[in-house]
Amino acid sequence: QVQLVQSGSELKKPGASVKVSCRASGYTFTSYAMNWVRQAPGQGLEWMGWISTNTGNPTYAQGFTGRFVFSLDTSVSTAYLQISSLKAEDTAVYYCARDGQLAVFDSWGQGTLVTVSS
Amino acid sequence: QSALTQPASVSGSPGQSITISCTGTSSDVGGYNYVSWYQQHPGKAPKLMIYDVSNRPSGVSNRFSGSKSGNTASLTISGLQAEDESDYYCSSFTSSSTVFGGGTKLTVL
Repeated sequence: QVQLVQSGSELKKPGASVKVSCRASGYTFTSYAMNWVRQAPGQGLEWMGWISTNTGNPTYAQGFTGRFVFSLDTSVSTAYLQISSLKAEDTAVYYCARDGQLAVFDSWGQGTLVTVSS
Repeated sequence: QSALTQPASVSGSPGQSITISCTGTSSDVGGYNYVSWYQQHPGKAPKLMIYDVSNRPSGVSNRFSGSKSGNTASLTISGLQAEDESDYYCSSFTSSSTVFGGGTKLTVL
């Protein structure tokens, strides 16, 4: 069955960087795009963008340019989200989500909590 | 891209039906038949319940149905059950992105 398994919770200080992983199994990794979604504490879902698992080309939503980087390692069917120069307002759960077809997120990772605090 | 508009909360009694609305614009909801609905229980990942306005993924109860009229999409849950109590989010494809609604908390009384 399709599974997306994310890395564990992270506690970081302001200004640091974090890299979240999302390992896929149960399907051909390069056949489906991967999206990233943020959920701040007590808030709704926010689409961050997506990465083509064919070409590695990322697309970032407004508000997620500059400090956010999507990347892949297709040899291990894994997508990555790196956030640099962390701020307190980056504290959130970050989800990876497989794009089953146009903007249909049919499988989700379990989420990774990133806490930014001094 | 502004978030789609959903009511903050809805409620219903077991066995009743409820409808959650999701209002966008002609650039998103009204312009494409690519509206999805997700259910999210506390502390859990979202789960796809409806895609392409009205299609149900395999395994999702037929008590869940979706529709669209103009710039507003709707999710209807019939025969409410206690397990339906959750947060629900709509989303829509746009020309260059995906946008989510603000979420609706469903309470089963």
